[in-house]
Amino acid sequence: EAGVAQSPRYKIIEKRQSVAFWCNPISGHATLYWYQQILGQGPKLLIQFQNNGVVDDSQLPKDRFSAERLKGVDSTLKIQPAKLEDSAVYLCASSRQRTAGATNEKLFFGSGTQLSVL
Amino acid sequence: GNSVTQMEGPVTLSEEAFLTINCTYTATGYPSLFWYVQYPGEGLQLLLKATKADDKGSNKGFEATYRKETTSFHLEKGSVQVSDSAVYFCALSDASGGSYIPTFGRGTSLIVHP
Repeated sequence: EAGVAQSPRYKIIEKRQSVAFWCNPISGHATLYWYQQILGQGPKLLIQFQNNGVVDDSQLPKDRFSAERLKGVDSTLKIQPAKLEDSAVYLCASSRQRTAGATNEKLFFGSGTQLSVL
Repeated sequence: GNSVTQMEGPVTLSEEAFLTINCTYTATGYPSLFWYVQYPGEGLQLLLKATKADDKGSNKGFEATYRKETTSFHLEKGSVQVSDSAVYFCALSDASGGSYIPTFGRGTSLIVHP
């Protein structure tokens, strides 16, 4: 079974530039997550999709971050314009269909995209 | 809101030593609890989980028991190996209030010397 695919693996940009990350979840996984992991901190959820609908984006800085999952499969996360504090690893994860009240589904993570904003 | 607190790292041990990594949580509902591990250069992967009070999750010699009375889920291993060197993340997920947001701690780095 193929894992969660992310690209690019590394990205270096200057502040105020734009950047996009791509994620392809495990086939058949309905739920997709984007996390931001700043060095020395745990992953922080940015946005959660269930199929192509947004379940939670309360921690997404919507003035500069956007994400979409148009066909309910792969997803892109964009930052425009980037700031120095956006330097982090951006993790994509997926899980199987979430049923009401289910809390024990494990997440499958990609290797992440390491973003450096100079 | 929900939160997870882990002990600060790095934890440095010699091979065959006993390991404990502390984790406590705050949750509004009745969460499931997880330990994820991140080996160098790889993504996070599930190590073990527990879904109700007094459950013990175990995998690869690691164990953690869901303690509701102390809101804790400490990770233990009786004899660590060099290959256990990684970053360990405690996490919870809680479906109360209709949301289902997996929440992670900051991670604890483990370094095992031969």
